[in-house]
Amino acid sequence: SQELEQSPQSLIVQEGKNLTINCTSSKTLYGLYWYKQKYGEGLIFLMMLQKGGEEKSHEKITAKLDEKKQQSSLHITASQPSHAGIYLCGADIEETSGSRLTFGEGTQLTVNP
Amino acid sequence: DAGVIQSPRHEVTEMGQEVTLRCKPISGHDYLFWYRQTMMRGLELLIYFNNNVPIDDSGMPEDRFSAKMPNASFSTLKIQPSEPRDSAVYFCASSPPGLASYEQYFGPGTRLTVT
Repeated sequence: SQELEQSPQSLIVQEGKNLTINCTSSKTLYGLYWYKQKYGEGLIFLMMLQKGGEEKSHEKITAKLDEKKQQSSLHITASQPSHAGIYLCGADIEETSGSRLTFGEGTQLTVNP
Repeated sequence: DAGVIQSPRHEVTEMGQEVTLRCKPISGHDYLFWYRQTMMRGLELLIYFNNNVPIDDSGMPEDRFSAKMPNASFSTLKIQPSEPRDSAVYFCASSPPGLASYEQYFGPGTRLTVT
């Protein structure tokens, strides 16, 4: 989706390294959702951000929402091979969209042992 | 809970044939979504239901696609006639009522190949 841009498109890191994935919206964000997908499987919900400045953590994954910049970042500390997969951001970018989410194209993460 | 259940997991069919994909949402969830994922277009929302009623079907590509939700525990996505460009992974997702309605739980997907 051009409305949601993720960067980088792919990322290869060595185990133990930190990394950041960004998701930028061309429209106002009313909610931002991070998902992880392994090849051939469905998406797994990671976390939801709804307020500017909000930050949430799940194990070694932290996500922040910068409402002014219409951007969210996902940060993984001390990456492990289990973190490998495709990370997708989904966002509510329409005030009256109800439950409709627009998704980014995903970031493919590879963690080398 | 067993999570969102989709069937079949894989479907290979010939062009022109009818294809029916099935989904059982998580019990108690009142939103159900159908998505399509391809390398070219990423993850696209096709249609979603709330309390068994279609709310937004603007993502349905053509009249060849139709979706139904006869009750709270079952939905189908039908393609007739199927075409090679319909080849994709089709995901069903459900979410609970209230503020958590955006927290969507995805099924494992159905990988459709149309030859």
